Amino acid sequence: AQSVTQLGSHVSVSEGALVLLRCNYSSSVPPYLFWYVQYPNQGLQLLLKYTTGATLVKGINGFEAEFKKSETSFHLTKPSAHMSDAAEYFCALLSGGYNKLIFGAGTRLAVHP
Amino acid sequence: DGGITQSPKYLFRKEGQNVTLSCEQNLNHDAMYWYRQDPGQGLRLIYYSQIVNDFQKGDIAEGYSVSREKKESFPLTVTSAQKNPTAFYLCASSKLQGLMNTEAFFGQGTRLTVV
Repeated sequence: AQSVTQLGSHVSVSEGALVLLRCNYSSSVPPYLFWYVQYPNQGLQLLLKYTTGATLVKGINGFEAEFKKSETSFHLTKPSAHMSDAAEYFCALLSGGYNKLIFGAGTRLAVHP
Repeated sequence: DGGITQSPKYLFRKEGQNVTLSCEQNLNHDAMYWYRQDPGQGLRLIYYSQIVNDFQKGDIAEGYSVSREKKESFPLTVTSAQKNPTAFYLCASSKLQGLMNTEAFFGQGTRLTVV
């Protein structure tokens, strides 16, 4: 069965510090992987996606993620946090043969001065 | 501008009443989805539809119903059978490429509260 696990429901960083949000997945076939961001009382916005090809993908707002098949991971990083990055982040999986997204439980990122 | 429109943004329902949430998209996407979001539980799939006049149950379909009479529209009805309907509801759509859906685009959500 396909699943997504996000490690850490809450992450807090200082402004200017590295952001690392962890995502591990389970899939019996090569997955398509996504990171979404959600601001309070809003819908989800796509940050980046991995389908095939280059394993390091760059997204909007300076975020990037690396697909590591051996570790079944797709962690999201940003070198320097900004106050505006405070939001909830969701990792999601779309697996071949399944035409629906499976989401992790989300990680709420807090950025403090 | 192309996008997904959900209405209303806030909705209040009395216990025992059915209520319908609207979702319209002008992206010419094939697939549409309804998700329910509760704190700490991520997004759970209620129903999805790949083509007009066809839809499939997701993980938590009990107490909900949908229709897909037009490509652009995928309304969700929360029936009185749904025991705990207070939640944030998100509609999404995606385009089919071959047999796979591409990334999903989301509406701004409807917050339903039972009073």
